[in-house]
Amino acid sequence: KAGVTQTPRYLIKTRGQQVTLSCSPISGHRSVSWYQQTPGQGLQFLFEYFSETQRNKGNFPGRFSGRQFSNSRSEMNVSTLELGDSALYLCASSLSAGTSGIYEQYFGPGTRLTVT
Amino acid sequence: TQLLEQSPQFLSIQEGENLTVYCNSSSVFSSLQWYRQEPGEGPVLLVTVVTGGEVKKLKRLTFQFGDARKDSSLHITAAQPGDTGLYLCAGDFNFGNEKLTFGTGTRLTIIP
Repeated sequence: KAGVTQTPRYLIKTRGQQVTLSCSPISGHRSVSWYQQTPGQGLQFLFEYFSETQRNKGNFPGRFSGRQFSNSRSEMNVSTLELGDSALYLCASSLSAGTSGIYEQYFGPGTRLTVT
Repeated sequence: TQLLEQSPQFLSIQEGENLTVYCNSSSVFSSLQWYRQEPGEGPVLLVTVVTGGEVKKLKRLTFQFGDARKDSSLHITAAQPGDTGLYLCAGDFNFGNEKLTFGTGTRLTIIP
């Protein structure tokens, strides 16, 4: 079974521009979460989508948005880029915990965004 | 706000030595995962623990879940350079809300 894929792997943008990142989850996984990882702040939760609905949201400004399509693929968008948005953006997919109560996430390789 | 504290933050040891890293919280987890991340890649799931007191082994790695399900430890025996990486614990506090909270991470370097 193919893993989580993210595109592009690397991206360089200029302040003020916007960017769209894409994530394809593991087949059968309906939950997709997005994280921002920086050396100083560690892994910070952005948001999570399940069946095309945003189910959880972290503490990020409204410049960060996302969506999920009917095939579970997800995109996140960052508008009006700032230097501080430079980070590794990670996508993770998961099955619903269901009756087991176990919720595991499987990560993609990430998109390295550099804002200049 | 639930917090997951990992210690130590950095650890550098010689090949062949043993080590333990810790993951602690003041809240109860419904489950807890350990991940390892290498530079430029996403975290890779190593193990999930669910039951208080549970111990799981993965070759030279031993994972333990505290009896009260508020803490966990990862013990590596005879560390090898391939164990180098960032170790992250992640807890599901929300019992059905399906959201993981990640720890601060332990950066491990094994010196050949």
